[in-house]
Amino acid sequence: NAGVMQNPRHLVRRRGQEARLRCSPMKGHSHVYWYRQLPEEGLKFMVYLQKENIIDESGMPKERFSAEFPKEGPSILRIQQVVRGDSAAYFCASSERQMLNTEAFFGQGTRLTVV
Amino acid sequence: AQTVTQSQPEMSVQEAETVTLSCTYDTSESDYYLFWYKQPPSRQMILVIRQEAYKQQNATENRFSVNFQKAAKSFSLKISDSQLGDAAMYFCAYRSPDSGTYKYIFGTGTRLKVLA
Repeated sequence: NAGVMQNPRHLVRRRGQEARLRCSPMKGHSHVYWYRQLPEEGLKFMVYLQKENIIDESGMPKERFSAEFPKEGPSILRIQQVVRGDSAAYFCASSERQMLNTEAFFGQGTRLTVV
Repeated sequence: AQTVTQSQPEMSVQEAETVTLSCTYDTSESDYYLFWYKQPPSRQMILVIRQEAYKQQNATENRFSVNFQKAAKSFSLKISDSQLGDAAMYFCAYRSPDSGTYKYIFGTGTRLKVLA
């Protein structure tokens, strides 16, 4: 069973371009979380999705950021019109069930650099 | 709101010695889990150890153990017989049902250096 797969591992975008980050959860996992890690900081929650539904987006910036988790295919975190401050590592985690004793597994992250 | 605080940005330990990383948290919840994650330069988040709030016994995983003080809301990680491969960022994390979201809340991390 492959782990959580994120791609690309590294992404460079010019200011104003769009960034699309993909996350394929572990097989059988229908719950996905996205986190952002700014340099020298911890991971900050952005959004929680189940298949075809956004459950909690309280950590997402109100503008330019969106996320989806379609019935088929990976979860996508989309950042429009990127700015330098969006440079960070973006992590995805997935879990099988929503229970406290069910572990969430993390991908290796995508490092976004905005130039 | 729940918060997690790691007050040690960086720690150093001599190889084969013992080191303790500190973590405090704040919550009004009664049911939650606490975690320590290791993040090496590869950026992979590796679960080191976890503790359920209802369990009084401190969790242990080989050379890693925790000191869980629920009343003080303290959750420190002890690494015994430190090895060069233990060098990494260590993050303390909290997780509760939180209205069905079960999201993790992370501290700012402690960078552990292991000296040969």
